[in-house]
Amino acid sequence: QVQLQESGPGLVRPSQTLSLTCTVSGASINSGGHHWSWIRQHPGKGLEWIGCIYNSGGTYYNPSLKSRLSISVDTSKNQFSLHLSSVSVADTAVYFCARGIAGGGTGYWGQGTLVTVSS
Amino acid sequence: DIQMTQSPSSLSASVGDRVTITCRASQSIYNYLNWYQQKPGKVPKLLIYASSTLQSDVPSRFSGSGSGTDFTLTISSLQPEDFATYYCQHTYSPPLTFGGGTKVDIK
Repeated sequence: QVQLQESGPGLVRPSQTLSLTCTVSGASINSGGHHWSWIRQHPGKGLEWIGCIYNSGGTYYNPSLKSRLSISVDTSKNQFSLHLSSVSVADTAVYFCARGIAGGGTGYWGQGTLVTVSS
Repeated sequence: DIQMTQSPSSLSASVGDRVTITCRASQSIYNYLNWYQQKPGKVPKLLIYASSTLQSDVPSRFSGSGSGTDFTLTISSLQPEDFATYYCQHTYSPPLTFGGGTKVDIK
């Protein structure tokens, strides 16, 4: 069974870099051709797709975040990571890591982690 | 980039009602459309992928249809556990945009 778990600091200072890691178990991050995504949800708001990486190649970002965003994979640790620079209070949200399924839907989700940007 | 527009943004319904939620893409996404259910404080759950394929363990009262730009999620007979927020998302090509959500609450 595929499981994903986000980890990282719950509090980040404004202008700093938000870094989260998603650890995957039950599947190899190196196989399947699926998208490995980051998604966030501001308090009381809808879902916002942040970006994804495909193990078949290619990294894609939300255009509104692209200038501050980096997503990378560490196949040796079966993890993928999110780095969002120059954060502000507007980046306070629950951050989910997720994986696509054959057929295209986002079928596997981490439990989500709340990141608060505050001084 | 493809924009996804959901309607309505909220609706009130009673147990047993038939509920329909629509999602429109700003350009053709063929059948690369997925539906999710999210309850407060919980992780989104994939209900339907590829427009009409029911994810395993999802009750058959949920159904999806559509192709191209217009899609529909239907709950044939609303149950108490179905009160939640529903989102569409396309997976045609990145960015994999979500719709704004439809909150279904008790009438």
